[in-house]
Amino acid sequence: DTAVSQTPKYLVTQMGNDKSIKCEQNLGHDTMYWYKQDSKKFLKIMFSYNNKELIINETVPNRFSPKSPDKAHLNLHINSLELGDSAVYFCASSQIPPPSSYNEQFFGPGTRLTVL
Amino acid sequence: AQKITQTQPGMFVQEKEAVTLDCTYDTSDPSYGLFWYKQPSSGEMIFLIYQGSYDQQNATEGRYSLNFQKARKSANLVISASQLGDSAMYFCVLSQGGSEKLVFGKGTKLTVNP
Repeated sequence: DTAVSQTPKYLVTQMGNDKSIKCEQNLGHDTMYWYKQDSKKFLKIMFSYNNKELIINETVPNRFSPKSPDKAHLNLHINSLELGDSAVYFCASSQIPPPSSYNEQFFGPGTRLTVL
Repeated sequence: AQKITQTQPGMFVQEKEAVTLDCTYDTSDPSYGLFWYKQPSSGEMIFLIYQGSYDQQNATEGRYSLNFQKARKSANLVISASQLGDSAMYFCVLSQGGSEKLVFGKGTKLTVNP
């Protein structure tokens, strides 16, 4: 009964390859996110989708493309991988009743991407 | 712009003692929330506690309490009776009312010594 799941957990690939990370949540939440955690443990939001619509798109190279086929899924596709893309990528979901600030986000286990 | 500052990159505490992890924030929005998340070495992100800007009382959840000082814009996490399993990274996080975006601090690595 995993709430937010990601696959794969580990991904090792060569520079220049294209790869995807999948995320699914069974919480019935409307909003999903992708975060990148760098080697210094700093977490930064990349994208957010609400009911399949892109609502947050931080300054991220356009080699990164999120896709949300339905509100329970948010996948991350990365083209032409670079060494600097090596990081842990977290998917998260939340249900925010506006205008509340109670935006508790439920995180997936993370995907550790290593680009060689 | 919203900002979270955690000035302690690392903290050490003896088992069974209390420890305070510092967090200051900056926002111009009157409606906001502050979260603390824990990230153990296994990597998952675990929600610990939440404080809303309009909450009159400081939040508490078991051994965790949030020392919320609105005028100082600080939201320190207090862990009482530390346990070895509390060793982890701790992130202070800011949310704005009605916004999906969370702003994370850089984290504090807590080590609990036996």
